[in-house]
Amino acid sequence: DAKTTQPTSMDCAEGRAANLPCNHSTISGNEYVYWYRQIHSQGPQYIIHGLKNNETNEMASLIITEDRKSSTLILPHATLRDTAVYYCIVRVAYSGYALNFGKGTSLLVTP
Amino acid sequence: KAGVTQTPRYLIKTRGQQVTLSCSPISGHRSVSWYQQTPGQGLQFLFEYFSETQRNKGNFPGRFSGRQFSNSRSEMNVSTLELGDSALYLCASRTSGASTDTQYFGPGTRLTVL
Repeated sequence: DAKTTQPTSMDCAEGRAANLPCNHSTISGNEYVYWYRQIHSQGPQYIIHGLKNNETNEMASLIITEDRKSSTLILPHATLRDTAVYYCIVRVAYSGYALNFGKGTSLLVTP
Repeated sequence: KAGVTQTPRYLIKTRGQQVTLSCSPISGHRSVSWYQQTPGQGLQFLFEYFSETQRNKGNFPGRFSGRQFSNSRSEMNVSTLELGDSALYLCASRTSGASTDTQYFGPGTRLTVL
């Protein structure tokens, strides 16, 4: 699976948009970009995933650059409950399934 | 629909003992994966089971084993516990063998080895 690079930590004011970047410059054409988050000591929570088109759901939007070498997760109106570690994962579509979580970005949403 | 459940939520064992952790996947999900999370190593993949067969395995010693039952429930076992096995053990399930299935995690079992 392709390697990802994320900032170690970020801050965001409550109510503002949180934009979390992820670099995956070695991504292959059949690799998907997944985002999960983990609130302290809980199980990781799925947020969104995509292949090459931008995606949006009730939690967030995923913007993938045209060359697919980077992506941005957008939380449109961050709340205190969005404080968590956010993991960007790229994985190829094959039958074996293991997510490589890496270090992630620790997002702190402040009042 | 109920989420992934794991039992017990907390466990304390001593070195040399063995432990069995249980995971019940989301109804209809046939794949179950296990992960170990420690402060030093982060989240690491242990193994995945699909239709009672181990399909994928991470880089862990043979002391770590698992199985899946016909109802998709899964157990993992750790024998001869070491202090370094203290961790949060997470179970995740997904619908089937399709590679694009989304994996959903349970709350985890916090294992402490004394």
